[in-house]
Amino acid sequence: DGGITQSPKYLFRKEGQNVTLSCEQNLNHDAMYWYRQDPGQGLRLIYYSQIVNDFQKGDIAEGYSVSREKKESFPLTVTSAQKNPTAFYLCASSLMGQGIYGYTFGSGTRLTVV
Amino acid sequence: GESVGLHLPTLSVQEGDNSIINCAYSNSASDYFIWYKQESGKGPQFIIDIRSNMDKRQGQRVTVLLNKTVKHLSLQIAATQPGDSAVYFCAENKERGSTLGRLYFGRGTQLTVWP
Repeated sequence: DGGITQSPKYLFRKEGQNVTLSCEQNLNHDAMYWYRQDPGQGLRLIYYSQIVNDFQKGDIAEGYSVSREKKESFPLTVTSAQKNPTAFYLCASSLMGQGIYGYTFGSGTRLTVV
Repeated sequence: GESVGLHLPTLSVQEGDNSIINCAYSNSASDYFIWYKQESGKGPQFIIDIRSNMDKRQGQRVTVLLNKTVKHLSLQIAATQPGDSAVYFCAENKERGSTLGRLYFGRGTQLTVWP
């Protein structure tokens, strides 16, 4: 079955550590996105990528980094520069081209700073 | 900033009743709108979408209405069931005809269904 997979489901980070969240899709979607969700809040865009080896900052990119070396993969690194990283992180993908299409979301990664 | 908002952050309904979740948008250039359902601890799931050349679209037990005059979007759920309890998000694209693909999300409405 086609889908988008995020791992791990839960992640714990110590102060000063970098951690990487995985996102893989086998939907042959062109675009991929990373969102952050805090309790009671909407989705805030961190980074997005439309093609391989290219990505754009979203609204809250500071303290995060991404790469897009393969169409299927869009890992997110939460760096030590991100001062409040505890949140629920969602990866999504979508087709591009003629018009706009809805996103398919992964099941999320809950990151907690310990 | 967010241009897609919700009139009510929470909505409680009794099982079997119809639910109406509202969403306001401010960008008249938006030509694509979508509703997602998010259960606790899970990723959002697609419910239904609508393009600006339509006023209404129906799915299974759900209907989306688009009023471009007042920039209002609503999701109607018929015969609401306990399994419908979740947070519902609306989203818009903001850029008419764009192939960029970016969606802008509202803050969501928590729907609680009582037996």
